[in-house]
Amino acid sequence: NAGVTQTPKFRVLKTGQSMTLLCAQDMNHEYMYWYRQDPGMGLRLIHYSVGEGTTAKGEVPDGYNVSRLKKQNFLLGLESAAPSQTSVYFCASSYSGGHGETQYFGPGTRLTVL
Amino acid sequence: AQKITQTQPGMFVQEKEAVTLDCTYDTSDPSYGLFWYKQPSSGEMIFLIYQGSYDQQNATEGRYSLNFQKARKSANLVISASQLGDSAMYFCAMREGGIYNQGGKLIFGQGTELSVKP
Repeated sequence: NAGVTQTPKFRVLKTGQSMTLLCAQDMNHEYMYWYRQDPGMGLRLIHYSVGEGTTAKGEVPDGYNVSRLKKQNFLLGLESAAPSQTSVYFCASSYSGGHGETQYFGPGTRLTVL
Repeated sequence: AQKITQTQPGMFVQEKEAVTLDCTYDTSDPSYGLFWYKQPSSGEMIFLIYQGSYDQQNATEGRYSLNFQKARKSANLVISASQLGDSAMYFCAMREGGIYNQGGKLIFGQGTELSVKP
């Protein structure tokens, strides 16, 4: 099992450009998440999905959109990138949303917006 | 209000010694889970240990144990017999239940950077 994978691993964008980050999991998990990690801070939730075809906003959703067309994939889109979106992005998944369920993380995508 | 507080930005420990990383949390939900993750310099987030709010005993996983003091709302990570490979950033996180759950999101602290000296 590959677990949770993310594509790409690194990306540099210019202000105003768009891009999509792809997250894939092979654990048949229902729940998927996108977090961002900024220097000196823990991870903050951007968007999440509780199942195929569903998405919901997290703590810092502005400037991002997501889609979950297939159970195993969760896409994060930046329509018009801004320097404030320079960050490391982590995708995670879990079997359910129960408070005891462990979330498993992908390796992260380091995004720089110039 | 910050829900997870890690007051130690950086810690040093001698190889083979034990070290405690502090974590306090705040929630009004009686059902919650507490997690510790390790983030080495390579960047990935590695799950270490979990403690449920109703668990009577402290969780243990190999050299990791969680010192859970519910009344004090603390969930400290204890690493015994430190190894050089333990040098990393460590994050405490909480997942609330009930109406606060919001899809099961994790709430993270700011992290503690642990350096193990040979």
